[in-house]
Amino acid sequence: GESVGLHLPTLSVQEGDNSIINCAYSNSASDYFIWYKQESGKGPQFIIDIRSNMDKRQGQRVTVLLNKTVKHLSLQIAATQPGDSAVYFCAEAGGGTSYGKLTFGQGTILTVHP
Amino acid sequence: EPEVTQTPSHQVTQMGQEVILRCVPISNHLYFYWYRQILGQKVEFLVSFYNNEISEKSEIFDDQFSVERPDGSNFTLKIRSTKLEDSAMYFCASRETYTQYFGPGTRLTVL
Repeated sequence: GESVGLHLPTLSVQEGDNSIINCAYSNSASDYFIWYKQESGKGPQFIIDIRSNMDKRQGQRVTVLLNKTVKHLSLQIAATQPGDSAVYFCAEAGGGTSYGKLTFGQGTILTVHP
Repeated sequence: EPEVTQTPSHQVTQMGQEVILRCVPISNHLYFYWYRQILGQKVEFLVSFYNNEISEKSEIFDDQFSVERPDGSNFTLKIRSTKLEDSAMYFCASRETYTQYFGPGTRLTVL
């Protein structure tokens, strides 16, 4: 069935390092991908998204890379800060007639040490 | 910056009781969603709503669940007869184009 999964459940980095969080997806019909950040007790917070017609998109300190050949998505955070500590989820939305239903991955816990 | 709001933040109920979770989506958004997250697990899609009707629902969204947009601003999720396994965080989301914006969630505890 359709699934979106993460390779690494936890990631610990030092403040100032760059972080890379990975995600694999299985639905080749997916045409939209999003990264969300979730802090304890809060809702998912949008970070960055990418359409399937792109392979890279940059935001402020964040970059998302999409490799459709191997169905892989990654989130790069530059100069990671303690405030970046959270659970990061990738999510995908299928194309076609789907009304935007998101399928989430399991999540990666990012811990940034001062 | 506009945001999705949800009330209450925490709801405690007895098994078998009805609960209504409320959401106010971002005002110019046309697509609305409910998701849930059981503690420690990933976020799961429940239902999407567009043009005053359900456009898609998951296997979780059985006959015990219903959604309604009673007026121009609120979007509600009703669980008619709660079960212990309904205990979870429930998130409302809305979108205008592609990006879904989530509310802070309602923690539902069924005793």
